[in-house]
Parts: sequence; structure tokens; C-alpha cells
Amino acid sequence: RKEVEQDPGPFNVPEGATVAFNCTYSNSASQSFFWYRQDCRKEPKLLMSVYSSGNEDGRFTAQLNRASQYISLLIRDSKLSDSATYLCVVAPPYQKVTFGTGTKLQVIP
Amino acid sequence: ETGVTQTPRHLVMGMTNKKSLKCEQHLGHNAMYWYKQSAKKPLELMFVYNFKEQTENNSVPSRFSPECPNSSHLFLHLHTLQPEDSALYLCASSQATTTLNQETQYFGPGTRLLVL
Repeated sequence: RKEVEQDPGPFNVPEGATVAFNCTYSNSASQSFFWYRQDCRKEPKLLMSVYSSGNEDGRFTAQLNRASQYISLLIRDSKLSDSATYLCVVAPPYQKVTFGTGTKLQVIP
Repeated sequence: ETGVTQTPRHLVMGMTNKKSLKCEQHLGHNAMYWYKQSAKKPLELMFVYNFKEQTENNSVPSRFSPECPNSSHLFLHLHTLQPEDSALYLCASSQATTTLNQETQYFGPGTRLLVL
């Protein structure tokens, strides 16, 4: 099993739609989780951290499921500007951070 | 905008050349990282420096040589590279704590490298 696994997509969704991505991880000791966003030919930028209790930032909601070892990202009311690749990042304590390959989202007018 | 700058932004080099990539962070961080991003692959961590000390070398070939003269600057010296080393090289920085990997990383814009 890969350390961090994401569906590469692409997810093609119409504007206004709700879309969700999952990311599974293999190391049950992992403590820190993040979602980064990477636009085409640009650097990754932090979208949000993922807390045990889940967290919400506007149209974005991140959840952690420790039992099943996955994190999720939900985007409501998709905008054209949400089109990007979303990278899942998992960090076991005192070990190197691992990035997923990313899930590509394309929001269509 | 990003607080982490990288130069050059694009680089084309032959296999016998020697070049260096430069990264500078203006965020007051103490940890700096080099990553390699190839098409359709996840970001690969190459090196980590924490308070100028190298704490991670992720089995990177010796043709890549990092240098961290201070907490704000990080270099990646390149020599006798191979075409398969063509990729986007990203620098990142974060606050350094005892749980180093828990900190948010801030990335530079990257150097797009092509080895001919």
C-alpha cells in the first residue's frame, strides 16, 4: 500500500456543484494532515490543515477518519477559480512529510 | 507574495555543466527543504535542513549537493546531471520545532530544470 494515495482524477464538475476528494494513508501513527492546492505550473500552497475534529473554512471542509485512515476535502458551490490540483500531505511524528500525487479538479462553466 | 524566492526560475543545462539553484526565505523560519516534482509523481523530499544542520538526505544521488550557509538561504549544487533529473525543483521553509514535520511548509515558485 502506498504511503499516501489519492485518486488522480480529473474531476470535471459544473460551477456550483459540490465535490469531495479522499486521501488514504498507511501509517496509523500519522498526526498531522494538510491539504495543499497547486495551480498549473505554480508552487503548492497551503489550503488548510486537517484537525481531528474536522475543520471548515468557507466553502471548504476537511475531515479526518482515523479508523479508516483517510482524510477528505469537500468543496461546496464550486467556482471556476477552484480548478487546480489538490495535494494531500501526511506527516507522521518525527518522520518525513509525504505528499500524495494530487487530485486534479476542473470546474466547468 | 510567497516569502520564499527561488532563482533561477528556469534552467537548461547540459550533462557536463555545473550549476546552482538558490532559495531564500524571508519568513524567519529555521527549517528549509528541497523537493523534486516530476510529471505525474508526488513531490519527492530530497533534503531537509533544521537550524542549518542537514537532518534528512532522502537517498539522493551525489550529483545533487545541498548547502545551507544560514537559516535564510539554501542552495542546491548540480553537476553531471542526467536527462531524468529534469523536473521542477521546489524549495520550502517552515518553523522548526521538536516535531519538525508538523509545521506548515511554505513553498517557493520553483526552478524548472531541463537537462539535455
